[in-house]
Amino acid sequence: QKEVEQDPGPLSVPEGAIVSLNCTYSNSAFQYFMWYRQYSRKGPELLMYTYSSGNKEDGRFTAQVDKSSKYISLFIRDSQPSDSATYLCAIRRGGGATNKLIFGTGTLLAVQP
Amino acid sequence: GAVVSQHPSWVICKSGTSVKIECRSLDFQATTMFWYRQFPKQSLMLMATSNEGSKATYEQGVEKDKFLINHASLTLSTLTVTSAHPEDSSFYICSARGIIQGYEQYFGPGTRLTVT
Repeated sequence: QKEVEQDPGPLSVPEGAIVSLNCTYSNSAFQYFMWYRQYSRKGPELLMYTYSSGNKEDGRFTAQVDKSSKYISLFIRDSQPSDSATYLCAIRRGGGATNKLIFGTGTLLAVQP
Repeated sequence: GAVVSQHPSWVICKSGTSVKIECRSLDFQATTMFWYRQFPKQSLMLMATSNEGSKATYEQGVEKDKFLINHASLTLSTLTVTSAHPEDSSFYICSARGIIQGYEQYFGPGTRLTVT
C-alpha cells in the first residue's frame, strides 16, 4: 500500500467553481500534511501545511485533515484560471532534522475561463 | 526569502556522457539538500538526501555510482548523472532546508534532462 494516494485527475472546472482535492494516507502516526502547487515545468511551491487534525484557511484556500479516516483535502473557493496547475499533497515522514516528504501523484487542475 | 535556484534549467546530452546539475540556496544556508526525480505525469520521487560535508544518503533503488551527489558548501549541492542513458531523461528537482527556516523544504525550479 502506498503511503500517500491521490486521484491524478485531470479535473476541469469552470471559473468561480469550488474545487475539492483529496488524498488518503496509510500511517496514522503522520502529523504534518502539506499541499504544494506545481505549474508546468516548474518546481513545487508550498501552499499550505497542517499539523494534526482540523482546518486551516488562507484566502481562497482551505486545508482539512481528518485523522480518523486518514483523509486530507484542499478546497479552492472562487477558482481562477491562474489556479490551473498540478496540486500535490505530501506528508512529512520522520521527525526533526531527519524528516522526509512523501508526495502523492498530484492532481492536474484546469480552471476554464 | 528562502530562494533556491537550479542550473541549468534544461540540458540535452548524448547517451554515455555525464551531466552536472547545480542547486543553490541563494539567501540562506542549507544544511540539508534533497534531490528528486519526476517523470511525466508522476509524482516527485526522492532520490537522495545530502547534509553539508557528509556523504549523501540514497533511497532504495537509486544507484549511488550513477547519481553522484556532492554537498560541499552550505549553499551548493551538485548532482552528476554519469554515463547517462535515455531512461535517465526526467525532470530533476532539488530542495533545500536550513536551520533558521525550521524543517521546511524549499524547492528549486527543476532541471529537465533529455538524453539522446
